[in-house]
Amino acid sequence: ETGVTQSPTHLIKTRGQQVTLRCSSQSGHNTVSWYQQALGQGPQFIFQYYREEENGRGNFPPRFSGLQFPNYSSELNVNALELDDSALYLCASSPGTGSLMNTEAFFGQGTRLTVV
Amino acid sequence: GDSVTQMEGPVTLSEEAFLTINCTYTATGYPSLFWYVQYPGEGLQLLLKATKADDKGSNKGFEATYRKETTSFHLEKGSVQVSDSAVYFCALPYSSASKIIFGSGTRLSIRP
Repeated sequence: ETGVTQSPTHLIKTRGQQVTLRCSSQSGHNTVSWYQQALGQGPQFIFQYYREEENGRGNFPPRFSGLQFPNYSSELNVNALELDDSALYLCASSPGTGSLMNTEAFFGQGTRLTVV
Repeated sequence: GDSVTQMEGPVTLSEEAFLTINCTYTATGYPSLFWYVQYPGEGLQLLLKATKADDKGSNKGFEATYRKETTSFHLEKGSVQVSDSAVYFCALPYSSASKIIFGSGTRLSIRP
C-alpha cells in the first residue's frame, strides 16, 4: 500500500513568485487536507478537498488555492509569495466523508518551501 | 473556539526516565483527542487516540487518558528510549470535523 507522497521535497522561491505543490493520496482515500507548519509551531489547516470540492477552509488568504483531481491527488497553489510563506507544507489524506472526528488522517513527509 | 494547549519544550530526559507531556483542550462537545508524533525529517504519524471521556489510548508504550473533568489528555511513558526523540503534538478535530487543530508541539530529546 502506497502512502501519501508529496513533491517536491524542497523548494526555494523568490518573493512575488507563484508555487505549486503536489500530493498523491493514499490508495482508497478520497479526502485530502493541506496544512502549513511554520518553524517551531504546530500545523495550521489551510483547506480540505473531498471528491474534488473544497470542504472547509482555514484562515488563509485567497492567494492560497487548491485543486483535487479525479484520482484524488491534489495541488496547493500559492500566488504572490511572501517571506512569511516559508514553511513546511503537509498534505494528509483520509478515507470516508471528509470528517476527521473518528477517522485517521495519514500525512506525507511535506514540502519545505523557502521564500527569499 | 476550539483550541489545544500543550507543554512548552524542549524536554530533555535520560534514557529510561518517566515522561509526561501535558495537554489541555477547549472544545465544543466531546471530540476525539489525538497525539501525533513527528520524527526528524518526517511527516506526522498518529501515535494514539481516544474517542470519548475516560478512554485510554495507548501505543508503543505511550498512554494518554481522556479526562473530561480536567479537559486534559496528558501523554505518558514509563521508560523512554533514545528512539522516542521527536516532536509530539496534541490535537483534536474541529467541531466541523473537516480539520484538525494542533498544539504548538513539544520537542523531546532523550540522552543515552
